[in-house]
Amino acid sequence: EIVLTQSPDFQSVTPKEKVTITCRASQSIGSSLHWYQQKPDQSPRLLIKYASQSFSGVPSRFSGSGSGTDFTLTINSLEAEDAATYYCHQSSSFPITFGQGTRLEIK
Amino acid sequence: QLQLQESGPGLVKPSETLSLTCTVSGGSISVNSYQWDWIRQPPGKGLEWIGSIHYSGNTNYNPSLKSRVTISVDMPKNQFSLRLNSVTAADTAVFYCAGRTGSYVWGQGILVTVSS
Repeated sequence: EIVLTQSPDFQSVTPKEKVTITCRASQSIGSSLHWYQQKPDQSPRLLIKYASQSFSGVPSRFSGSGSGTDFTLTINSLEAEDAATYYCHQSSSFPITFGQGTRLEIK
Repeated sequence: QLQLQESGPGLVKPSETLSLTCTVSGGSISVNSYQWDWIRQPPGKGLEWIGSIHYSGNTNYNPSLKSRVTISVDMPKNQFSLRLNSVTAADTAVFYCAGRTGSYVWGQGILVTVSS
């Protein structure tokens, strides 16, 4: 099983800050890594697919990078509406796995 | 645009079987590139993949749940279903159905509570 470890688990940030969330895979997954945003009582929302491909309708302040085992989600100029939990997900091999989540609080 | 909708009972008794159905609209369930997944999220916790099915009938299950899970597909109805046997309170969760071509298209989720 591929274990995905996100860091940090929690971050409190101010608006307009730049935020970086990392996701490390226990073995190489190429670019088969996707990022989601989840707000309370909502389904996860796709932000970035295949490590760095932006998804339609997602604000340009969200970007992704990485390959192999180390991946990054960057949020430039954070906005209040970005308060949420962020998850990475690997589709390289079964069983499909998710990171444990990173909760972002806006001060 | 692909849309998915979960349906089923919101309350299941311990030791019984949880059964949910996902109806796919805006596209065919028999698209070769798609896998159809069930994912769950216990209250206040993270996401756990339960299993996948391809329209051909090929399935993959989470090893931690494999002995209790069956996922099936009904192509004429454009639906796929989940059965989870011998449930306990630890199975209480929001259950999501999702379509996957790499990344996910998610249903809205359904809360299933296991309680007598």
